[in-house]
Amino acid sequence: GQQLNQSPQSMFIQEGEDVSMNCTSSSIFNTWLWYKQDPGEGPVLLIALYKAGELTSNGRLTAQFGITRKDSFLNISASIPSDVGIYFCAGRNPNRDDKIIFGKGTRLHILP
Amino acid sequence: ETGVTQTPRHLVMGMTNKKSLKCEQHLGHNAMYWYKQSAKKPLELMFVYNFKEQTENNSVPSRFSPECPNSSHLFLHLHTLQPEDSALYLCASSQDWQGGEQFFGPGTRLTVL
Repeated sequence: GQQLNQSPQSMFIQEGEDVSMNCTSSSIFNTWLWYKQDPGEGPVLLIALYKAGELTSNGRLTAQFGITRKDSFLNISASIPSDVGIYFCAGRNPNRDDKIIFGKGTRLHILP
Repeated sequence: ETGVTQTPRHLVMGMTNKKSLKCEQHLGHNAMYWYKQSAKKPLELMFVYNFKEQTENNSVPSRFSPECPNSSHLFLHLHTLQPEDSALYLCASSQDWQGGEQFFGPGTRLTVL
C-alpha cells in the first residue's frame, strides 16, 4: 500500500538545538497532520494543515504544507527535554477516498 | 471525561482467554478506528467504522472482532490470540472517515503469554 516517507528515522540532538523533520509522498495530499507520541501513550495532534503553502505554528513548533502538495515539514525550535518522543506525519490522499496514511515516525532523543 | 478514552490501559492474557478492549469518544465524532502499534513498526490500521458501519477491515485475522454499538463506543473482542499479537492497541476518532483530524486514545498495552 501507499506509504509516506518520513525522515529522519531518529535524531540525537543537544538541548536547545533546532530540529527539522519531513514527510514526502509520491501522491498529492489535501491534508497534512503532525502528531507526537510519548512512551506508552497515544499520539497527540500537534498541527493540522489544509492548504498548499500553509505555514502554521504551535508554540515552538512550525509546520508547512508543501507547495507541490507532496511534502510537509515540521520544525521545533530551541528543543527542551520534554520534546523527546516519536513524531508522526499523516496525510489524506484525495485519490484514495481521503483515507489517512501515517508515516513511520521520527524518534527524537535529546542528549543531556 | 473528555476526548478519547480506552480501557483497560494494560492487559495480560493467555492464548486461550477471551477479553475485550473498550474505547469511548466524547467528541461527537462519527468515525472510529482501531490501530495496532508494534515495536519499531508504523501504525497499522485495523478497522474503520463510520456512523456505526464498518467501512474498512485491513485483512485482520478473525481472532480480532470489532463491535460498534453506536458512534461513541467501539470494542475490540479478542480470542485465541498469539504472542505476536502483543502490541499497543490505539483507538481514534474523527468527524467522519474522509475528513478532519484523528484524535487518539491513550491505548491499551496488550501482552499475550
